[in-house]
Amino acid sequence: AQTVTQSQPEMSVQEAETVTLSCTYDTSENNYYLFWYKQPPSRQMILVIRQEAYKQQNATENRFSVNFQKAAKSFSLKISDSQLGDTAMYFCAFYGSARQLTFGSGTQLTVLP
Amino acid sequence: GAVVSQHPSWVICKSGTSVKIECRSLDFQATTMFWYRQFPKQSLMLMATSNEGSKATYEQGVEKDKFLINHASLTLSTLTVTSAHPEDSSFYICGARDDEQYFGPGTRLTVT
Repeated sequence: AQTVTQSQPEMSVQEAETVTLSCTYDTSENNYYLFWYKQPPSRQMILVIRQEAYKQQNATENRFSVNFQKAAKSFSLKISDSQLGDTAMYFCAFYGSARQLTFGSGTQLTVLP
Repeated sequence: GAVVSQHPSWVICKSGTSVKIECRSLDFQATTMFWYRQFPKQSLMLMATSNEGSKATYEQGVEKDKFLINHASLTLSTLTVTSAHPEDSSFYICGARDDEQYFGPGTRLTVT
């Protein structure tokens, strides 16, 4: 079974600064997807960014980018120019042949004014 | 983007009663729907996966007779918590998938 590990339960960053959230995973599969989801205080799950494992190029969505290291099974999220609205719980997730999402334990990010 | 709704958003029920939560995909047909449970400050735990017209597949440790899932159409799935107890109090989130997976806003269940 796949496992997803987020080793940082809580992080904080000053507004306008950059922060990186870590995620590692374990799988024997070669084709899969990785995701970062954001869950703000409203608790609505919001997709932040997606990465296909067969793509070597790191995904980017505006201020959000990932560092995908397939051999190391690492998938970190970088948030640039942090904004107060980025305060949320962030979940890393794996999607493979089981066709269901496996989530990490989450990182609570607080952006400080 | 695709929208998934859940109803109710918050429900309080007495111990021993049953409560039904609805999940609807509003602008797409969901081939598969998922039900998750989330305790405060914890991750989402998958309870079951359902495909339209077939029986749900429950994760290990989830009582299928207690958490009844019906996926009657490509746009509607329901989760019924039967004979609810205080330990069933939690936040329940549904997911609906066509090519992507989308999430409902969640339902807070409080059993008194």
